[in-house]
Amino acid sequence: EAGVAQSPRYKIIEKRQSVAFWCNPISGHATLYWYQQILGQGPKLLIQFQNNGVVDDSQLPKDRFSAERLKGVDSTLKIQPAKLEDSAVYLCASSFGQGATYEQYFGPGTRLTVT
Amino acid sequence: QKEVEQNSGPLSVPEGAIASLNCTYSDRGSQSFFWYRQYSGKSPELIMSIYSNGDKEDGRFTAQLNKASQYVSLLIRDSQPSDSATYLCAVPLSGGYNKLIFGAGTRLAVHP
Repeated sequence: EAGVAQSPRYKIIEKRQSVAFWCNPISGHATLYWYQQILGQGPKLLIQFQNNGVVDDSQLPKDRFSAERLKGVDSTLKIQPAKLEDSAVYLCASSFGQGATYEQYFGPGTRLTVT
Repeated sequence: QKEVEQNSGPLSVPEGAIASLNCTYSDRGSQSFFWYRQYSGKSPELIMSIYSNGDKEDGRFTAQLNKASQYVSLLIRDSQPSDSATYLCAVPLSGGYNKLIFGAGTRLAVHP
């Protein structure tokens, strides 16, 4: 079974530029998550989708971050404009369902450096 | 603010010893608990999940849960240098939709 796919793996941009990340979850997984992991910290949830609907985006900086999952499968996370503090690893995860017992599986992540 | 706390380490153990990693959480309503392993430069990998009080064993790994004390631990028996990584404790926020709250992780170093 293929895992969660993400691209690109690495991205370097200058502040105030825009960037987009792509994620394809495990086949059959209805729930998709985007996490931000800053060096030395645990991942922090940015946004959670159930199929193509947003379940939780309470920690998404909506003035600069946006995400969509139009067909309920793959998803895109965008940052515009980027700030220095956005330098982090952006992790996509998926689970079969949205209940608390469902295990989440992570993709390889995208390492973003903002200069 | 619901929190998950772990000692940052590093926890250094000799090869073949038992490594004990601890995690406390503040959300009394939490029902599920997960341990992830994260190698340097890699993404988190799920290694254990536990839902009931007591012990759950999987190979060299044992997860222990005590909901009354709000404490979950991970034991690694016969530690190997390949176990050297950061171990993340994750707890879904109660009343939420599987929103995982992660600890900052404990770095484990197993030396030959």
